[in-house]
Amino acid sequence: GAGVSQSPSNKVTEKGKDVELRCDPISGHTALYWYRQSLGQGLEFLIYFQGNSAPDKSGLPSDRFSAERTGGSVSTLTIQRTQQEDSAVYLCASSLSPGAPYEQYFGPGTRLTVT
Amino acid sequence: EDQVTQSPEALRLQEGESSSLNCSYTVSGLRGLFWYRQDPGKGPEFLFTLYSAGEEKEKERLKATLTKKESFLHITAPKPEDSATYLCAVQASDYKLSFGAGTTVTVRA
Repeated sequence: GAGVSQSPSNKVTEKGKDVELRCDPISGHTALYWYRQSLGQGLEFLIYFQGNSAPDKSGLPSDRFSAERTGGSVSTLTIQRTQQEDSAVYLCASSLSPGAPYEQYFGPGTRLTVT
Repeated sequence: EDQVTQSPEALRLQEGESSSLNCSYTVSGLRGLFWYRQDPGKGPEFLFTLYSAGEEKEKERLKATLTKKESFLHITAPKPEDSATYLCAVQASDYKLSFGAGTTVTVRA
């Protein structure tokens, strides 16, 4: 079946511009997660959705970052006034339900470069 | 705060040379330990979930084991296609995964 899809696969933007990253989870998965992977660093949790609500936004690095999920499906991560330190690969994952034993399946990621 | 440490950072193996990767963790209330494989330019690919000390799981040339403080990923008779970065992650009382930095494995033919 179809896996998690993300778009765009690559995004180059100028400092100060806003960007939107999209995630389409596996059909039927109620839980959706966003992570960030910076060069030479491990995956860093950003935010988690159960249905359309976000019980845990603890990983969002600043108020320039926001995310929403509609229809219990597609999610959008928005970064306003991008900074160079926002350059990273943004990964989306989904799971059938939140928490163990439900595995998180990852998409291919969006590589964001802020110039 | 959950901590996950993987070692070594990099591992170079000859084809057929078995070895083990280590993942040590500190977590309050482990709900699951996960192993993923990540190829360059791709997202992590799920391999195994382990839930309790003493548990073992196998998939082809890979075998994962779990103790109360660490997990091992054993690679038996590796092939070049096993070259990848292997990531370990823990899940505690909340739903997020806390990842280690990974071990990059290179298998030479």
